[in-house]
Amino acid sequence: DSGVTQTPKHLITATGQRVTLRCSPRSGDLSVYWYQQSLDQGLQFLIHYYNGEERAKGNILERFSAQQFPDLHSELNLSSLELGDSALYFCASSVFEGGYTDTQYFGPGTRLTVL
Amino acid sequence: AQTVTQSQPEMSVQEAETVTLSCTYDTSESDYYLFWYKQPPSRQMILVIRQEAYKQQNATENRFSVNFQKAAKSFSLKISDSQLGDAAMYFCAYRVWSGAGSYQLTFGKGTKLSVIP
Repeated sequence: DSGVTQTPKHLITATGQRVTLRCSPRSGDLSVYWYQQSLDQGLQFLIHYYNGEERAKGNILERFSAQQFPDLHSELNLSSLELGDSALYFCASSVFEGGYTDTQYFGPGTRLTVL
Repeated sequence: AQTVTQSQPEMSVQEAETVTLSCTYDTSESDYYLFWYKQPPSRQMILVIRQEAYKQQNATENRFSVNFQKAAKSFSLKISDSQLGDAAMYFCAYRVWSGAGSYQLTFGKGTKLSVIP
């Protein structure tokens, strides 16, 4: 158990809908990262927040958005869902700003299925 | 754009033997970081080993070591004395700072390692 929690574990929804994935980092960690893992695209880095501010952005679609709240938990919002958005979404956290020595601890993931 | 290539979708190794997983990357940067992550069936992502590009010495972590060839843009992972618990997907990753405190992070497609008892 990494100490990172994600809810829900599974989510099934329809095309065109909007969902919110939630992540609670380890106690004391200031950074939160989001990743998408799918059969087609493999593992992709989406976005990184540090202490409430966006730090880096990867291959995140405009239909997706994220934020980190004052209590440091983060939410990933996915809208206008398409079949291709079906994937495993990981959250990770680390103590600092994501430097070389800053180890990321991954949550168990949320499995999103779009029908 | 940076790319990371893992040319071996699947590999297998006998228990207690040694196996090497390949990773190549494409970049024009001189300072960057490389990582190997392990994803067991539980789907947790676990950091195995990391390497700074400016360090010529290859990183080692117990039974795991890398062969970093900067000029060839190669970063292979060697697992010695393979154990059943090493069975997992292994991802190679590349990270480079992109200015203003930000960075880019790219993963390979992964190599599925099976360990045969």
